[in-house]
Amino acid sequence: ETGVTQTPRHLVMGMTNKKSLKCEQHLGHNAMYWYKQSAKKPLELMFVYNFKEQTENNSVPSRFSPECPNSSHLFLHLHTLQPEDSALYLCASSFGTGEAGELFFGEGSRLTVL
Amino acid sequence: GQNIDQPTEMTATEGAIVQINCTYQTSGFNGLFWYQQHAGEAPTFLSYNVLDGLEEKGRFSSFLSRSKGYSYLLLKELQMKDSASYLCAVRDSNYQLIWGAGTKLIIKP
Repeated sequence: ETGVTQTPRHLVMGMTNKKSLKCEQHLGHNAMYWYKQSAKKPLELMFVYNFKEQTENNSVPSRFSPECPNSSHLFLHLHTLQPEDSALYLCASSFGTGEAGELFFGEGSRLTVL
Repeated sequence: GQNIDQPTEMTATEGAIVQINCTYQTSGFNGLFWYQQHAGEAPTFLSYNVLDGLEEKGRFSSFLSRSKGYSYLLLKELQMKDSASYLCAVRDSNYQLIWGAGTKLIIKP
């Protein structure tokens, strides 16, 4: 138990579906992150929120839409995805960005796009 | 460009010692992290090095040489539960984390 909870753990969707991934952290952190993890590739940073404000959008396609209603919750809205978007999506949190300490990760949402 | 290199896969024997290397080329340096990730689970923090030298934490140690752009993670008295992927990440001058692709460690009895 890392203090970061992601739901759903597994998701299968068609290319025309709309779904959302949810992340919740119980650590009192101010920063939250979405990462994409594909097999044998480095973690790809997608979005960063600090105190609910988006501070990083790493050239992510618009079919991925993040939402951060407060410092404890983070969503990733998915629509019109492509098969190459199939991956493990990891949420993480930390005490701020910059010189902040380590990231705390959730267990991820395994996404399969058919 | 920025780059982190680590071996894709390593195999070791239970009870032995293994060293996982990580070399990096980044725009500046503000610390190096090691994470452990068991299959299907969250990556969890193992160690942080910002100064040269060895940091020891029980069976795990991490070494850093900033002049060589090099780090290693040393695992002693290997146990079956150490079978996992080990991720190296460097924080660059903009405090962005640059990640390696991870090293899958397989422990055999």
